Amino acid sequence: DTAVSQTPKYLVTQMGNDKSIKCEQNLGHDTMYWYKQDSKKFLKIMFSYNNKELIINETVPNRFSPKSPDKAHLNLHINSLELGDSAVYFCASSQDAATDTQYFGPGTRLTVL
Amino acid sequence: AQRVTQPEKLLSVFKGAPVELKCNYSYSGSPELFWYVQYSRQRLQLLLRHISRESIKGFTADLNKGETSFHLKKPFAQEEDSAMYYCALSGVDGNKLVFGAGTILRVKS
Repeated sequence: DTAVSQTPKYLVTQMGNDKSIKCEQNLGHDTMYWYKQDSKKFLKIMFSYNNKELIINETVPNRFSPKSPDKAHLNLHINSLELGDSAVYFCASSQDAATDTQYFGPGTRLTVL
Repeated sequence: AQRVTQPEKLLSVFKGAPVELKCNYSYSGSPELFWYVQYSRQRLQLLLRHISRESIKGFTADLNKGETSFHLKKPFAQEEDSAMYYCALSGVDGNKLVFGAGTILRVKS
């Protein structure tokens, strides 16, 4: 029944490692997003995809590579993790435009040691 | 550039008191404004949008283009209103939401 799901919920890893976070939505939406919420709870868009096409890339380091195998999935791969990558990452989806109601996943708390 | 400012990190009120969560924005065109809310242990979710001009859970927000504000108001706060509230803006292209820094609302009994 879960509309937008993310795995894993928690991720603890060492600096320099490569890790992935997966996101799936079963709402039939065309657009998916990744947001980063930092330690001060500031929420910032990273990427958005519409029908598997990259729409928004908000000056995110190229160590972050989103991949959308189909419009129901948007995974986030991070290479060479750094301490500053520690944050909560939220996936979201909307029917089409960002102005449509966005449905958020539960978040993935990434801790880089 | 699109920018959303929520000047208060934390707003603490007593139950039954009026609430106003401030939101100011910077955008040269006609924006769409939203309030999203995250209750404890729940997901971030849409509370209301200015184009709907609706009241949700007793909350209202009016877009004031002259003051570039979209403050969230409720006449009588309830304990279950305690949450993190984010104001968000979308420009005319509708491609993305720009969020403010968020305001934690604590309603004390």
